[in-house]
Amino acid sequence: KQEVTQIPAALSVPEGENLVLNCSFTDSAIYNLQWFRQDPGKGLTSLLLIQSSQREQTSGRLNASLDKSSGRSTLYIAASQPGDSATYLCAVPLGNTPLVFGKGTRLSVIA
Amino acid sequence: DAGVIQSPRHEVTEMGQEVTLRCKPISGHDYLFWYRQTMMRGLELLIYFNNNVPIDDSGMPEDRFSAKMPNASFSTLKIQPSEPRDSAVYFCASSPDDSNQPQHFGDGTRLSIL
Repeated sequence: KQEVTQIPAALSVPEGENLVLNCSFTDSAIYNLQWFRQDPGKGLTSLLLIQSSQREQTSGRLNASLDKSSGRSTLYIAASQPGDSATYLCAVPLGNTPLVFGKGTRLSVIA
Repeated sequence: DAGVIQSPRHEVTEMGQEVTLRCKPISGHDYLFWYRQTMMRGLELLIYFNNNVPIDDSGMPEDRFSAKMPNASFSTLKIQPSEPRDSAVYFCASSPDDSNQPQHFGDGTRLSIL
């Protein structure tokens, strides 16, 4: 059974700081890994999708890496801003079954 | 692109009542997913459809839950009878592919069963 764990559960940083969010998964036989953002009272917004053959993906100030062999992914956010405050979730597909989600990291960026 | 549309946004009802949640996926997306989110269990897949056909309903918690997709532009999730432990946020998502394309989520239905 695939299990996805995100550490820390919550994080508070001052504006401008670079930060790393962590995601681990137990079954390394994955097609891809996805990072989502969830704002309060809203649905999830896809941020980055890393295919299993890739090691990282970048979008603006976001960089996600994937190490399948160790069952880990990181989401790096550069020069954090108050608008980055949200919950960040990672997810992996389990075989042909759609996504298994971690419980997320709640990020607060303090101005 | 209107995105995934869910209704209602909020539902408060008494236990024992029937609850129907609705979803309109993005046009052209072949896959539709229903999830439930709670503080304790996080985001869990309930059921998903491919081209209107249910593929995996193993996440549906009990026979009180049922889901239908009568056409490509509409799906319902029904709970009958509802119980307080069904209180959660229910999300609908759609995608053009089962796992290799990002899923697009609606804003959810916040359900409270009293």
